[in-house]
Amino acid sequence: GAGVSQSPSNKVTEKGKDVELRCDPISGHTALYWYRQSLGQGLEFLIYFQGNSAPDKSGLPSDRFSAERTGGSVSTLTIQRTQQEDSAVYLCASSWTGLDQPQHFGDGTRLSIL
Amino acid sequence: EDQVTQSPEALRLQEGESSSLNCSYTVSGLRGLFWYRQDPGKGPEFLFTLYSAGEEKEKERLKATLTKKESFLHITAPKPEDSATYLCAVTGSARQLTFGSGTQLTVLP
Repeated sequence: GAGVSQSPSNKVTEKGKDVELRCDPISGHTALYWYRQSLGQGLEFLIYFQGNSAPDKSGLPSDRFSAERTGGSVSTLTIQRTQQEDSAVYLCASSWTGLDQPQHFGDGTRLSIL
Repeated sequence: EDQVTQSPEALRLQEGESSSLNCSYTVSGLRGLFWYRQDPGKGPEFLFTLYSAGEEKEKERLKATLTKKESFLHITAPKPEDSATYLCAVTGSARQLTFGSGTQLTVLP
């Protein structure tokens, strides 16, 4: 399909393990975003990539969280030494250019830490 | 710091009963206000962008309006398939998209 694709759709892991979440944005979109949505909560901004500029990492909650975007396309969000409070839905979005443009979301990865 | 407050938190309507959802915002240098619809287990689906006070956008039974302090999403003669959580978000000079907590709309047949 032509939408934002995220994988896996569900991930269950033990506390202390590392996890990698993948996002394939819409082709041609230069901006890519990661958000976290906890049960009953709003979307929490994590990180923003725009073209070749340095990413805006100001929303990352701790140094256990990191993200990269390779070749201006696919992005990976990595959480090291997972904690139970990391359990949430992680959403990826992309847009044509920057924040003035509507973001198009994937269906997220539901992460459960046991 | 940008802030977005949505009300009510939840709204139950009978099919055909029109109503409005509110989004109050505080932002420095508004660059855009966005409305999204989110169904359970899905990512938010883009509905509208509004850029300046006085602007209005329409799509089927939905109409979004914008003032300098708030936005309304008007739903005319809703149907059960309009049931979803509606999210409002703003972006400004802080260069982040800030979301409200959403309004959970249920339309009863």
